[in-house]
Amino acid sequence: NAGVTQTPKFQVLKTGQSMTLQCAQDMNHEYMSWYRQDPGMGLRLIHYSVGAGITDQGEVPNGYNVSRSTTEDFPLRLLSAAPSQTSVYFCASSLTSGGPLTYFGPGTRLLVL
Amino acid sequence: GENVEQHPSTLSVQEGDSAVIKCTYSDSASNYFPWYKQELGKRPQLIIDIRSNVGEKKDQRIAVTLNKTAKHFSLHITETQPEDSAVYFCAAMDSNYQLIWGAGTKLIIKP
Repeated sequence: NAGVTQTPKFQVLKTGQSMTLQCAQDMNHEYMSWYRQDPGMGLRLIHYSVGAGITDQGEVPNGYNVSRSTTEDFPLRLLSAAPSQTSVYFCASSLTSGGPLTYFGPGTRLLVL
Repeated sequence: GENVEQHPSTLSVQEGDSAVIKCTYSDSASNYFPWYKQELGKRPQLIIDIRSNVGEKKDQRIAVTLNKTAKHFSLHITETQPEDSAVYFCAAMDSNYQLIWGAGTKLIIKP
């Protein structure tokens, strides 16, 4: 049981490039979400999904797209990277919306030059 | 919507002393309140949680108390140790079943 996994661990992008951050969980959790955490700051919700085929926007969705074609996977796409998107990105999952027992992935550190 | 405020932003205590971190919430319908610990460079991890039908929950050196009337909940860490140094986040689950997060408290344990 791997829990929540994320790839890559670290990525450097140039402004305007696009990329996909991968997230997968093997706990059969319905609820998955993406957060960003800026240095010394808290967690801000980007997008979330309450089940396969269903996604919704969080607090800071602009510049990001998501899809949920399977229960296991919830990729986050950066359409045209900007320096303001430099952050650590955490994927999280829980059995139901909002927890209890929300598990976080190890994070992806993204640097946009 | 729900709003969660967390205080203090930084807390420095002597090793062996107690630490208390407080959070307030605005949505009286919120009924689930977890606390997460995030060590430097690591992911947030759940350390304790409480539901609105109880007032206090303990797990060894950590405890959480909830005052529904005042809409605040607190994390208590007794006999602090160096490994307690981390950033602690509180959260509240709102009426849409979303976790609303506090801004975090950096806990520093002085030797």
